[in-house]
Amino acid sequence: NAGVTQTPKFQVLKTGQSMTLQCAQDMNHEYMSWYRQDPGMGLRLIHYSVGAGITDQGEVPNGYNVSRSTTEDFPLRLLSAAPSQTSVYFCASSYGSGGTYEQYFGPGTRLTVT
Amino acid sequence: SQQGEEDPQALSIQEGENATMNCSYKTSINNLQWYRQNSGRGLVHLILIRSNEREKHSGRLRVTLDTSKKSSSLLITASRAADTASYFCATDPNDYKLSFGAGTTVTVRA
Repeated sequence: NAGVTQTPKFQVLKTGQSMTLQCAQDMNHEYMSWYRQDPGMGLRLIHYSVGAGITDQGEVPNGYNVSRSTTEDFPLRLLSAAPSQTSVYFCASSYGSGGTYEQYFGPGTRLTVT
Repeated sequence: SQQGEEDPQALSIQEGENATMNCSYKTSINNLQWYRQNSGRGLVHLILIRSNEREKHSGRLRVTLDTSKKSSSLLITASRAADTASYFCATDPNDYKLSFGAGTTVTVRA
């Protein structure tokens, strides 16, 4: 199994540009989530999904959209990039809801917005 | 806002020594998890302890949970250079969302 994969690994955007961060898992996990990690802040939940067709907001959803058309994929879209979105983004998946099961994390996408 | 806070923020120990870090949280939980993050990598799950458990072991790791004090500790015994990493606690204040603390950075000196 490849586990959780994320692309790209690195990305530089100009303010106002849009882009999609890709996340895929091959473990047939129902629960997927997106986090951002900033220095000294730990991980903050952006959006999560409990299954195909179902998404919900996390702690810091503004400026981001998600969709879940398949069990395997959970892309994160930045609508109009801002310097405050400079961060490392992690996708995670698990068998069930966030607290009860261990989360499997992808390797991350390092995003810089200039 | 973050549910959990780790203490200390940073820890430097000699190889072979034990490392202890603590996590305090604000609201009641069902489970508490600990994760490790090596520099520039994704997080790796270490251990999950349920609210009705007081202690759990996994290899050189020992986790305790005191729900009356809303705190947990992670002990790494006989540390190795490979244990150099950041360690995070994560709690589930509700069923669907996992809340992470800011982490403890552990450096193991040879």
